[in-house]
Amino acid sequence: QKEVEQNSGPLSVPEGAIASLNCTYSDRGSQSFFWYRQYSGKSPELIMSIYSNGDKEDGRFTAQLNKASQYVSLLIRDSQPSDSATYLCAVNRGDMRFGAGTRLTVKP
Amino acid sequence: DAGVIQSPRHEVTEMGQEVTLRCKPISGHDYLFWYRQTMMRGLELLIYFNNNVPIDDSGMPEDRFSAKMPNASFSTLKIQPSEPRDSAVYFCASSSDRDSEKLFFGSGTQLSVL
Repeated sequence: QKEVEQNSGPLSVPEGAIASLNCTYSDRGSQSFFWYRQYSGKSPELIMSIYSNGDKEDGRFTAQLNKASQYVSLLIRDSQPSDSATYLCAVNRGDMRFGAGTRLTVKP
Repeated sequence: DAGVIQSPRHEVTEMGQEVTLRCKPISGHDYLFWYRQTMMRGLELLIYFNNNVPIDDSGMPEDRFSAKMPNASFSTLKIQPSEPRDSAVYFCASSSDRDSEKLFFGSGTQLSVL
């Protein structure tokens, strides 16, 4: 089992819709969780972090964490074409481990 | 701040050659990470340093790979001899002691081994 697993996609949503990205992790001792966005040909950049069970909102982005289910998700509301990118889930288990990423395309 | 600086941006070499990738972390950052990204394996942690000391190199694929951090502002990742399966994008990232979980990535080095 991979340490951090994501659906590779691609995920395609129409402009204005909600995009839902999911991630599971294997190490129950993990305490902190992150979402990075990576545009094609660019480097990853941090967009969200979450440490406690529940939801954390930042603008159009909401991160959700369920430690009992070892599950992290990212919701993007009112998706825009500029949100088209690969989204990487990352888990800090003493060092930062990344999932393979989900490619999101938002169609105008 | 200029951010994390990596060089070269692109490297094309032949199998068996030595390859050296370079990284300058953000000034004041205490942690430096080397990652490798491929379509098949995603973003893999190779090694990370804290205050110039290697902390975990368990991700280094084999003895052909080595990394050094001689001072707080410079690190190298060396592959000798290189093989076609080493072709990937290599990222360097740094973070501060105060917020060690927030990684800042460099632009990456696209390595192609022919």
